[in-house]
Amino acid sequence: SQQGEEDPQALSIQEGENATMNCSYKTSINNLQWYRQNSGRGLVHLILIRSNEREKHSGRLRVTLDTSKKSSSLLITASRAADTASYFCATFSSGTYKYIFGTGTRLKVLA
Amino acid sequence: SAVISQKPSRDICQRGTSLTIQCQVDSQVTMMFWYRQQPGQSLTLIATANQGSEATYESGFVIDKFPISRPNLTFSTLTVSNMSPEDSSIYLCSVDIQAPNEKLFFGSGTQLSVL
Repeated sequence: SQQGEEDPQALSIQEGENATMNCSYKTSINNLQWYRQNSGRGLVHLILIRSNEREKHSGRLRVTLDTSKKSSSLLITASRAADTASYFCATFSSGTYKYIFGTGTRLKVLA
Repeated sequence: SAVISQKPSRDICQRGTSLTIQCQVDSQVTMMFWYRQQPGQSLTLIATANQGSEATYESGFVIDKFPISRPNLTFSTLTVSNMSPEDSSIYLCSVDIQAPNEKLFFGSGTQLSVL
């Protein structure tokens, strides 16, 4: 399969806690991106990290990238009920000009 | 950013029929991507549509089943032909226009149910 693997598949936490989800991929990449999907509809881009970067921050989001291990993690701090959604990593490779999505993590934040 | 209008938003179809999904972008884009998302699953790339040339299909997807048109730089259609219940999925069109390869913008998706 082309897809990267994400874990956990599902995560349930209390509001205010941090949520961490992980993504592993198989091929060399130019960048890795994280997307959120609410209720099985269109995805929304959250954050991008390039292959020469190790860490990026955006608001309550922190993403790391380890190209030697072909893995990335997304941390959502101080989670809110509105963060309840599915989260997908996606890798882009200029060699293939494709965006390949991971298997996704379903996050549920309990109020 | 980009605004992508995708329609229909949902449809219920009979086995053996075909459905054409339309994707309209509010700006000119070179590449458009069509994805399928089966229930509870991730996104699988069906094909990449480049204006003025034949679409490039991924392994497991063929033109006879999923013909794509790309008549100009703002519009594309995906047809799901001779449908079976296994085609029940969400179909998504997307484009990347911001500093090429920086992010994908998605349409709101088409929820297809085949009876």
